Amino acid sequence: DAGITQSPRHKVTETGTPVTLRCHQTENHRYMYWYRQDPGHGLRLIHYSYGVKDTDKGEVSDGYSVSRSKTEDFLLTLESATSSQTSVYFCAIRNRESTEAFFGQGTRLTVV
Amino acid sequence: DQQVKQNSPSLSVQEGRISILNCDYTNSMFDYFLWYKKYPAEGPTFLISISSIKDKNEDGRFTVFLNKSAKHLSLHIVPSQPGDSAVYFCAASALGANNLFFGTGTRLTVIP
Repeated sequence: DAGITQSPRHKVTETGTPVTLRCHQTENHRYMYWYRQDPGHGLRLIHYSYGVKDTDKGEVSDGYSVSRSKTEDFLLTLESATSSQTSVYFCAIRNRESTEAFFGQGTRLTVV
Repeated sequence: DQQVKQNSPSLSVQEGRISILNCDYTNSMFDYFLWYKKYPAEGPTFLISISSIKDKNEDGRFTVFLNKSAKHLSLHIVPSQPGDSAVYFCAASALGANNLFFGTGTRLTVIP
């Protein structure tokens, strides 16, 4: 199994509070991704990183920010959580283009 | 706009029969395609891939077919087993692009 760990695995938070999800990899892969999974929408890309301090937006980036200060860590921050951000969040890593991505176990976030 | 589409949300198949899962894409720049399998409360796991220079790739019971002119790919599972019951996602990427685009998923149920 690819060495990729997400934390926390579950979180309940209140509307308006900041939340940070962490993705940690031990594979030294260049690319890291944050997806959210919602019924009827599949997996949608939030943000991704192609190197330390190099990040870019995905298709559903509004309300989210990311940071990658080290190769192994990719953080997803919800500055002010809203109920529409209740979802399951997956981190993925990828070594290069035209290869498969490996996913973490997911973080179930509930915003009440 | 969804660039990768899985138009069948669900599929039921008898054990031992063939399962065929379909996927369509709109972006002609996509040149690498993947299938992922997802069990509840787990992250997606890579199943099989195909590059655009091929029209078929086989791995045990799993075969992926690519029809570039129709912008269509399919995953065949023969014979289907109850353990194959899961949600299947197709994904696509373009050469030189950093991200993967996913479909909405098809839930496969294999009936014993």
